[in-house]
Amino acid sequence: DIQMTQSPSSLSASVGDRVTITCRASQDISSSLAWYQQKPGKAPKLLLYAASRLESGVPSRFSGSGSGTDYTLTISTLQPEDFATYYCQQYYIPPLTFGGGTKVEIK
Amino acid sequence: QVQLQESGPGLVKPSETLSLACAVSGGSISGYYWSWIRQPPGKGLEWIGNIHDSGRSNYNPSLKSRVTISVDTSKKQFSLRLSSVTSADTAVYYCATGGSSWYSSYWGQGTLVTVSS
Repeated sequence: DIQMTQSPSSLSASVGDRVTITCRASQDISSSLAWYQQKPGKAPKLLLYAASRLESGVPSRFSGSGSGTDYTLTISTLQPEDFATYYCQQYYIPPLTFGGGTKVEIK
Repeated sequence: QVQLQESGPGLVKPSETLSLACAVSGGSISGYYWSWIRQPPGKGLEWIGNIHDSGRSNYNPSLKSRVTISVDTSKKQFSLRLSSVTSADTAVYYCATGGSSWYSSYWGQGTLVTVSS
């Protein structure tokens, strides 16, 4: 199985901050990486796929980058509605695997 | 816009079989991959497996011996069966799809299944 290591596991930030979350795969996943946002009691929401492609309707303050084994999710200007938990997922090879999550909390 | 809705018992006894269905509306069930993902209370996401309407399926090896995912195109639904459940299988179960892709663009609201006697 491909292991996905996400960091940090949590962070505190203020509205307006730039936030970066990283995800490292245990092997090359050829940019087959998705990012999801999950709020309490809700299903995850797809933000980006193919490492950097923004899902329709997702604000442009979310961006993704990376290749090979290392990937990054960036929120350029944190908004109040962005406080949530974020997960990466590789979909290169089954079993599809998720990172452990990053909880973004209000400072 | 595809909409997904899980249904099934919220309580299952240990050693029994968990059975859930996911109804698909707002789009075709044909030609796409359909997934099950679960999340134990307070924990992260775990991919269970997926199936294509052609019958091709992929399962998480950690659950493979106990899992069956099937699709019924005539009913526009797909299903999950997980046998010999224990308390470790207590989780919110989500159905999801990314169409022809393996990531998940559309999710059901999730259904909590508790394993307890």
